[in-house]
Amino acid sequence: DSGVTQTPKHLITATGQRVTLRCSPRSGDLSVYWYQQSLDQGLQFLIQYYNGEERAKGNILERFSAQQFPDLHSELNLSSLELGDSALYFCASSAGPGRGGQETQYFGPGTRLLVL
Amino acid sequence: DQQVKQNSPSLSVQEGRISILNCDYTNSMFDYFLWYKKYPAEGPTFLISISSIKDKNEDGRFTVFLNKSAKHLSLHIVPSQPGDSAVYFCAARRDYGGSQGNLIFGKGTKLSVKP
Repeated sequence: DSGVTQTPKHLITATGQRVTLRCSPRSGDLSVYWYQQSLDQGLQFLIQYYNGEERAKGNILERFSAQQFPDLHSELNLSSLELGDSALYFCASSAGPGRGGQETQYFGPGTRLLVL
Repeated sequence: DQQVKQNSPSLSVQEGRISILNCDYTNSMFDYFLWYKKYPAEGPTFLISISSIKDKNEDGRFTVFLNKSAKHLSLHIVPSQPGDSAVYFCAARRDYGGSQGNLIFGKGTKLSVKP
């Protein structure tokens, strides 16, 4: 158990809908990262938040957005869903902003999203 | 354009033997490399890491080697055990000057250790 929790575990929805994925980082961790793993892709970085502020952006679609709340949990909002958005979405957390040193990212169990 | 490549989708080894998983990268700005292990229905689990200023890091049965000139790293597992059967991801982090920490992952290598 990494200490990172994600809800829900599974999500089935229809095209055009909007969903929210939730992540709680490990106790004391200030950074939250979101990654997407599609069937034929490795883990793709989407976005990073550090202590409530956006820190880095990766291949995140405009239909997707995220935020980190004062209690440090994070939500990833996916809207106008398409079939191709079906994937595993992982959240990870680290103690600091991710720079230098040996700052390890710890991953949650993921949310499996299926868009029909 | 894939910056981190794991060219072997799968690897099968006998229990007790050495497993060698390989990873190549293209971006010389990467300053930190990590290996994660992933079991089905679970998130990736951190295994071992290496800074770009080192060429070897060892932790129990796991050793990671880094060859910067060849832009290549490898993970050695000795001796391999059936419980090591999982998908192994190589990941790299680029030094953006201290403000970002996102990882770039390879597509993974599925290791099967046969009893």
